[in-house]
Amino acid sequence: GAVVSQHPSRVICKSGTSVKIECRSLDFQATTMFWYRQFPKQSLMLMATSNEGSKATYEQGVEKDKFLINHASLTLSTLTVTSAHPEDSSFYICSAFPPGGYTFGSGTRLTVV
Amino acid sequence: AQTVTQSQPEMSVQEAETVTLSCTYDTSESNYYLFWYKQPPSRQMILVIRQEAYKQQNATENRFSVNFQKAAKSFSLKISDSQLGDTAMYFCAFIRGGGADGLTFGKGTHLIIQP
Repeated sequence: GAVVSQHPSRVICKSGTSVKIECRSLDFQATTMFWYRQFPKQSLMLMATSNEGSKATYEQGVEKDKFLINHASLTLSTLTVTSAHPEDSSFYICSAFPPGGYTFGSGTRLTVV
Repeated sequence: AQTVTQSQPEMSVQEAETVTLSCTYDTSESNYYLFWYKQPPSRQMILVIRQEAYKQQNATENRFSVNFQKAAKSFSLKISDSQLGDTAMYFCAFIRGGGADGLTFGKGTHLIIQP
């Protein structure tokens, strides 16, 4: 089946620094990828839709200058959390929609100290 | 906009019992899909079952089946012969037809299977 690979699985960064999360489609081309955030004991909330070759679409309330999304190829989307703060600590999950249905990456646990 | 409601934050049943998780949704769309996802402690999202709105027949996958009531906008998940490995968070999710949107999730139900 279609596989979405997400790296890193865990990252700890200092407050004020930036961190990049990668999401790759391994055996299919993904013109669109989705980024979700999940706080502890909560559900997944859609942050943004990443479109290959064009600007990402952000959900209401998501700061586009803080969460930079780049989808430069048909197999790679990246989420960069800029000037991270402790409140950005969360679990970030990417997904794509290949033929056959939604596929999720394994997620990235971000801790900002 | 769509909403998905799961009214059971936590459920606990004995191994081998049958359990039903509830989900209701609200939408004005006529073409859409509904899903149940399982999220174990590893936090990997695992598709349990999907239902196309245009299909009247309820979807089944081995021990998992749904009761899809389109008019009532209800989509419950039944797990038969529950196993310890079924312990996880279960999320109900909605997407309108086309696949260009992200999923809308309910708040989830934490299912605990007791030995």
